[in-house]
Amino acid sequence: NAGVTQTPKFRVLKTGQSMTLLCAQDMNHEYMYWYRQDPGMGLRLIHYSVGEGTTAKGEVPDGYNVSRLKKQNFLLGLESAAPSQTSVYFCASSYGGKGTDTQYFGPGTRLTVL
Amino acid sequence: QQQVKQSPQSLIVQKGGISIINCAYENTAFDYFPWYQQFPGKGPALLIAIRPDVSEKKEGRFTISFNKSAKQFSLHIMDSQPGDSATYFCAASNRYAGNNRKLIWGLGTSLAVNP
Repeated sequence: NAGVTQTPKFRVLKTGQSMTLLCAQDMNHEYMYWYRQDPGMGLRLIHYSVGEGTTAKGEVPDGYNVSRLKKQNFLLGLESAAPSQTSVYFCASSYGGKGTDTQYFGPGTRLTVL
Repeated sequence: QQQVKQSPQSLIVQKGGISIINCAYENTAFDYFPWYQQFPGKGPALLIAIRPDVSEKKEGRFTISFNKSAKQFSLHIMDSQPGDSATYFCAASNRYAGNNRKLIWGLGTSLAVNP
């Protein structure tokens, strides 16, 4: 059981470049989330998904897009990267959306935008 | 506006001491309060959680104390060890959010336990 995995672990982009972060989970979880973590800002929800084929905006969705074509995968895209998107990105999944369901986090992707 | 206010931002404790991290909230619809622990370079992981129908929950050296009237809850780490050095996040969940019950996160506390 790999749990939640994220690809890549590190990435450096130039302003304006695009990239996709991949999250995969093998726990058959319905809900998946993308967070960003910045010093002093805690965990901020970017987008989330309540099931295959669904996506919804979190608190900081601007500049990001997501897709959930398969239940086990949740992709986060940056169409035109900006320095303000330099951050550590975490994917998480949970069995359901009760809020009481434990969220399982991946190891994170450290992204630097120059 | 931070719905869950966590303090302190950072904490240094001597080995064997008690670490205390506090969180406060305003929304009385919150009914689930987890604490997550994050080691450097790793993702957060659930440590312990409590519902408001109990005032305290203990798991090993970790205890959550919950004060419903004051709308506060705290994490106590007894006999703190260097291996407890991590960032701790409190969170809360709104019972009325239906299928969109998301966790509302505190900003985190960086704990360092000196040997």
